[in-house]
Amino acid sequence: QKEVEQDPGPLSVPEGAIVSLNCTYSNSAFQYFMWYRQYSRKGPELLMYTYSSGNKEDGRFTAQVDKSSKYISLFIRDSQPSDSATYLCALGAQTGANNLFFGTGTRLTVIP
Amino acid sequence: NAGVTQTPKFQVLKTGQSMTLQCAQDMNHEYMSWYRQDPGMGLRLIHYSVGAGITDQGEVPNGYNVSRSTTEDFPLRLLSAAPSQTSVYFCASSPPGLAVFYEQYFGPGTRLTVT
Repeated sequence: QKEVEQDPGPLSVPEGAIVSLNCTYSNSAFQYFMWYRQYSRKGPELLMYTYSSGNKEDGRFTAQVDKSSKYISLFIRDSQPSDSATYLCALGAQTGANNLFFGTGTRLTVIP
Repeated sequence: NAGVTQTPKFQVLKTGQSMTLQCAQDMNHEYMSWYRQDPGMGLRLIHYSVGAGITDQGEVPNGYNVSRSTTEDFPLRLLSAAPSQTSVYFCASSPPGLAVFYEQYFGPGTRLTVT
């Protein structure tokens, strides 16, 4: 069983739509929950992270963590064509430098 | 700051050849790591280093070697390339402390094909 499960998509939405991206995980030791954005043929870049549970908002982006359900989400409001990218979730546990796991990524296309 | 730089951008190797993927960062980060990214597999950790002279294995270390003689550089060596090593390779670095879990800066990647 993978540490992190992420629906690969692809997901295609019209400009202005609200996008919901999700990951599930199995290890309750995870404390750090990150979302990375990766444009085609580029390296991932950190969008936002959350420590422990709860919500975090940054502009049009909101990250949610539900530790009881082992479920994390990224919401994008008023989606723009420039949001078209692959979104990777990543989870970290403070039990060693090797305990950082990435989802496979969800490819998002925002249609003008 | 240039951030994390990687060379080359693209490489084609024949089975059995060896090569070194270069990685450098100018942010004075102690922690550096190498990942490979394959379709449907996500990013998988190959090797990592918590400082000059200190390296350790990640999830998929076989067939790869690393060394860390300076804070800035962290090269990855393929000892005898195999088609299974065809992948996109990313180098990353992190500030010290707990940031290693939530703040990684990735390079642009090296696309490697082994024939």
